[in-house]
Amino acid sequence: DAGVIQSPRHEVTEMGQEVTLRCKPISGHNSLFWYRQTMMRGLELLIYFNNNVPIDDSGMPEDRFSAKMPNASFSTLKIQPSEPRDSAVYFCASSAVGSAGELFFGEGSRLTVL
Amino acid sequence: AQSVTQLGSHVSVSEGALVLLRCNYSSSVPPYLFWYVQYPNQGLQLLLKYTSAATLVKGINGFEAEFKKSETSFHLTKPSAHMSDAAEYFCAVIASGSNYKLTFGKGTLLTVNP
Repeated sequence: DAGVIQSPRHEVTEMGQEVTLRCKPISGHNSLFWYRQTMMRGLELLIYFNNNVPIDDSGMPEDRFSAKMPNASFSTLKIQPSEPRDSAVYFCASSAVGSAGELFFGEGSRLTVL
Repeated sequence: AQSVTQLGSHVSVSEGALVLLRCNYSSSVPPYLFWYVQYPNQGLQLLLKYTSAATLVKGINGFEAEFKKSETSFHLTKPSAHMSDAAEYFCAVIASGSNYKLTFGKGTLLTVNP
């Protein structure tokens, strides 16, 4: 079975550019999470969707960040405009109904903003 | 807010030696606790979880963890380390009143020496 699929795996961009990260969750999972991982701050939950609806976006750093989930099989995380401090590994994870805390993570998108 | 503290950001053991990774939680009610593993350049993978059914929890790859309420601990152990166990390990807790919000510890990097 395919796991959580993220793209791109690596992105290098210049400050001010728009960045779009993509995620395909595991089929049948109804919860989707976006996490950010940095050395300084560790793993941070950015946003949580349940049944395609954003439930908790309190971790989204600022208005430059936005996330969408137009259907059960696709989500995007957009940063516009990007800044060097956004450099991090961004993970998408999904989980099934009734399996609180049991997350399946993608391999991550490593973002470098110059 | 509930949190976990991982003691030791780096643990080094010899192949065949006991692995002990420490995690303490802060919670006024029995929490749901988890251990995740992250191999280089990969996403996190669930090792095991505690949901109050049994205090000793067995996970994948020979790991186990014991929930000790009196010590507010959930340490991860493996009797005999293998080279393939080299990775970063994260303890995590589900926030009280939530069924989705995982809070991760800072992580412990395990090195296994031949």
